[in-house]
Amino acid sequence: DIQMTQFPSSLSASVGDRVTITCQASQDMNHYLSWYQHKPGKAPKLLIYDASKLQTGVPSRFSGSGSGTDFTLTISSLQPDDMATYYCQQYDDLPLTFGGGTKVEIK
Amino acid sequence: EVQLVQSGTEVKEPGESLKISCKVSGHTFTTNWIAWVRQMPGKGLEWMGIIHPRDSDTRYSPSFRGHVTISADKSINSTYLQWSSLKASDTAIYYCARGRTTVMTPFHDWGQGTLVSVSS
Repeated sequence: DIQMTQFPSSLSASVGDRVTITCQASQDMNHYLSWYQHKPGKAPKLLIYDASKLQTGVPSRFSGSGSGTDFTLTISSLQPDDMATYYCQQYDDLPLTFGGGTKVEIK
Repeated sequence: EVQLVQSGTEVKEPGESLKISCKVSGHTFTTNWIAWVRQMPGKGLEWMGIIHPRDSDTRYSPSFRGHVTISADKSINSTYLQWSSLKASDTAIYYCARGRTTVMTPFHDWGQGTLVSVSS
């Protein structure tokens, strides 16, 4: 199984800050990685797929990058609506696996 | 617009059986893989397994194989997650999620979640 280690597990940042979340795979992967935003009581929302492709309708302040074992989600200018938990997911191999999540809070 | 509508909250006792559903509309049901994802209280997302509705080809996470059954009924555009004997540790929110036409897939569309509470 490909284990996905996500860090930090939580962070607090101010509106307008640049925020970076990292996902590390337990083995080299292709670019088959996605990022989701999950708010309490809501369904998860796909933000990024294929490591760097922005899902239709997602604000351009979200971006993804990375290769091999290290992948990042960046929010270029944090907004109040971005308060949520973010998850990475690999789909390079079965079983598909999620990272442990990063809870983003606004200072 | 693709919609995944899941069945409602369930309150059960340990040892009982349960089948929850996910009805898909807005696209051709038999083309895309559909997965089930668990979120236990205060915890993260866990991929349970995935099914292709065209032929019911199903793959399970080793963590869930043997404890749950995933099925589909293409005549009514629905997939199901079922337990034959629930445990308290099955208390969670369960999401269905639509992927691509390949089994290795991200999930573009999600159901609203079904809360399952198991307690004596």
